Amino acid sequence: AQSVTQPDIHITVSEGASLELRCNYSYGATPYLFWYVQSPGQGLQLLLKYFSGDTLVQGIKGFEAEFKRSQSSFNLRKPSVHWSDAAEYFCAVGAGGGADGLTFGKGTHLIIQP
Amino acid sequence: DAMVIQNPRYQVTQFGKPVTLSCSQTLNHNVMYWYQQKSSQAPKLLFHYYDKDFNNEADTPDNFQSRRPNTSFCFLDIRSPGLGDAAMYLCATSAARNQPQHFGDGTRLSIL
Repeated sequence: AQSVTQPDIHITVSEGASLELRCNYSYGATPYLFWYVQSPGQGLQLLLKYFSGDTLVQGIKGFEAEFKRSQSSFNLRKPSVHWSDAAEYFCAVGAGGGADGLTFGKGTHLIIQP
Repeated sequence: DAMVIQNPRYQVTQFGKPVTLSCSQTLNHNVMYWYQQKSSQAPKLLFHYYDKDFNNEADTPDNFQSRRPNTSFCFLDIRSPGLGDAAMYLCATSAARNQPQHFGDGTRLSIL
């Protein structure tokens, strides 16, 4: 069965600083990988996805993620964070393209310091 | 805008009193999902419909059921809610395999 590990429960970053959120997955085949963001009391918004091809994927709001098969990782990055980026970030892996449902990591809570 | 709409946003019910949460979509997606998200936890898949085919996760309690009368609507029925069922319930849709899921804003269920 697939699984996702987000090792950092909380991360605090100063506004304007760079950000990297870690995600490691376990899956027997080529994974379908996603990053979602959730603001308090809201649903999940897709930031980006990796299905195949270029291992560096660009998403919305200036985020990018890099798929590294050798490390089973799919880390999320942003060169300069804004206060509005404060939220919960979930990494997820999907079997069958995700059509059979997603398995989420436990999330990383991002705090932005002024 | 095409979207996934969940009603109501907040639902309060009594212990043991059946409750139904609804989800509608204007995306015309084939696949619809229900997730349960407890406080400070990751969303957990309960079940999903691939068109009319219902797929239940092995560890979803029997207390939870779902109906999809047409492409646009999907319902989550909790027959006898317990205190442990208090959570945010998220509906999501997907056009097909290899397509990402689009989430509604969720329904927060409280049990008195």
